[in-house]
Amino acid sequence: GQQVMQIPQYQHVQEGEDFTTYCNSSTTLSNIQWYKQRPGGHPVFLIQLVKSGEVKKQKRLTFQFGEAKKNSSLHITATQTTDVGTYFCEGGSTLGRLYFGRGTQLTVWP
Amino acid sequence: EPEVTQTPSHQVTQMGQEVILRCVPISNHLYFYWYRQILGQKVEFLVSFYNNEISEKSEIFDDQFSVERPDGSNFTLKIRSTKLEDSAMYFCASTLVLPYNEQFFGPGTRLTVL
Repeated sequence: GQQVMQIPQYQHVQEGEDFTTYCNSSTTLSNIQWYKQRPGGHPVFLIQLVKSGEVKKQKRLTFQFGEAKKNSSLHITATQTTDVGTYFCEGGSTLGRLYFGRGTQLTVWP
Repeated sequence: EPEVTQTPSHQVTQMGQEVILRCVPISNHLYFYWYRQILGQKVEFLVSFYNNEISEKSEIFDDQFSVERPDGSNFTLKIRSTKLEDSAMYFCASTLVLPYNEQFFGPGTRLTVL
């Protein structure tokens, strides 16, 4: 069945370093959403990408949706300790189902 | 700011018992979802609900599960006969209009099956 694979599972960076997490789907997605989940918290919506090749920015965060709408990435420039958490992608299939990636757990050392 | 609420925050039950998890979505939202997250694992989609019927459900959402919107505000997830592996955090979410707009998540209900 359809899956959304997300790598890496864990990432430890020094404050100020960049961070990237990648999501890949086995099939074409209708859209992709990105969420951040703090330890003990619930997923909080960050952004939605719909168009092929779309790039969106939110301050230090850059989100990309691949041309084939099968992959996506989230890049954080110059990480801060407040960026700590798990970042999930969620792909929407053409049939309307939703698939979460496994998440990338980001740790930022001061 | 409007928010999704869920009750209870923690539910402990014996294996084989029925549980009902309750959610109050944001009042003008039309699409509702249930997800679960087993400790330390990824969030898993269970079901989406629109116009008083299920829109989509995952393989996890078998006959043990059911959802209902009994009135204009509550959205419930029922697990008929709980199993140990049902222990997880259950999140409710809602969106305003389209199914893939921003989903607002509730704080979750931690279900522990003994």
